[in-house]
Amino acid sequence: DQQVKQNSPSLSVQEGRISILNCDYTNSMFDYFLWYKKYPAEGPTFLISISSIKDKNEDGRFTVFLNKSAKHLSLHIVPSQPGDSAVYFCAAKVGGGSNYKLTFGKGTLLTVNP
Amino acid sequence: DSGVTQTPKHLITATGQRVTLRCSPRSGDLSVYWYQQSLDQGLQFLIQYYNGEERAKGNILERFSAQQFPDLHSELNLSSLELGDSALYFCASSVGFGANVLTFGAGSRLTVL
Repeated sequence: DQQVKQNSPSLSVQEGRISILNCDYTNSMFDYFLWYKKYPAEGPTFLISISSIKDKNEDGRFTVFLNKSAKHLSLHIVPSQPGDSAVYFCAAKVGGGSNYKLTFGKGTLLTVNP
Repeated sequence: DSGVTQTPKHLITATGQRVTLRCSPRSGDLSVYWYQQSLDQGLQFLIQYYNGEERAKGNILERFSAQQFPDLHSELNLSSLELGDSALYFCASSVGFGANVLTFGAGSRLTVL
């Protein structure tokens, strides 16, 4: 049972345009959501996050939107740059003790074309 | 460099064998997490240790085991290896347990032939 789903395996955009990466989840107990970016031969690196009590968080060119009623979050990158080309993982956290779990989606490969 | 060190970077072995993957967490971090990324799969949570003790368990097979040592490094032991165990194994660390943000190492790629 995949609790965090990224339905688009890949996305291609032109430099300077907006990139929108989507993520859906099924577990209403998730209380924190994150986006990680991964370059080839490197581990995932934290990009931006949002608490379940908020609906938007912005950090420079990156904005994450959370729609709890739809169990959907999205990552907007504006403007997109070639260096943004990477795999983006959506992740969701539940619990804090022995029931802690950080669940990742399968990732979306973003390609930003010059 | 994230500060999380994983060795070896690559490992090729045969079915039925046993391997050990090693992780040194970022300086000051007490929690270590292990994740598996198989082909076409997201990162699957295996297990978490905090200051030497197991804190949370995910989809870890009985053939797999882990531990965290007093110097806080961790080892993931994979035994009776099968072809399907071929994957990238990531270690991550955080200061506390139940952290929102984890710092990942570069991963160990295991190939089982």
